[in-house]
Amino acid sequence: DAKTTQPTSMDCAEGRAANLPCNHSTISGNEYVYWYRQIHSQGPQYIIHGLKNNETNEMASLIITEDRKSSTLILPHATLRDTAVYYCIATSGGTSYGKLTFGQGTILTVHP
Amino acid sequence: GAVVSQHPSWVICKSGTSVKIECRSLDFQATTMFWYRQFPKQSLMLMATSNEGSKATYEQGVEKDKFLINHASLTLSTLTVTSAHPEDSSFYICSAGTSGPTDTQYFGPGTRLTVL
Repeated sequence: DAKTTQPTSMDCAEGRAANLPCNHSTISGNEYVYWYRQIHSQGPQYIIHGLKNNETNEMASLIITEDRKSSTLILPHATLRDTAVYYCIATSGGTSYGKLTFGQGTILTVHP
Repeated sequence: GAVVSQHPSWVICKSGTSVKIECRSLDFQATTMFWYRQFPKQSLMLMATSNEGSKATYEQGVEKDKFLINHASLTLSTLTVTSAHPEDSSFYICSAGTSGPTDTQYFGPGTRLTVL
């Protein structure tokens, strides 16, 4: 799986959009980009994933650059409950069968 | 989304005893389940991959005789920590994957193990 690089921490004001970047410059053609988050003392929560097209669901949007070397997770209207560690993972399709390698992630702090 | 449960959510045991943790996929069947461990202020580390009806695959450095994994059905996997010691105290998290073209791995809420 391709290595991903994320900033260690970010801050965001409540109600504003939170844009979390992820670099995956060595990603291969069959690798998806997955985003999970982990709120303190809980299991990771799936957010969104994509291959090359931008994706949106009820939680967030995922913007993947055309060369697929980086992506951005967007939380459109951050709330205090979005404070968590966010993990960006690049992995070949088939997370049912393939393991996920978690890095250190980005600690997002949403403040009032 | 798919729901994965774990039981118990926390457990305290004496050194030398064994502890069993259950992981269930509540609304889907999972051929493969995964077990992770997370120490304080660290990221998740995969311990083993559990396949229904076959032996688990352990990651390098994980003792298979100490961490027994059983995946008896498509909705249940168990992790037994045998002869637990204080250094086994950790947060244990399981996950299960849905199948299909855009399959996704969903995580349980985790089990906090404290060995005295």
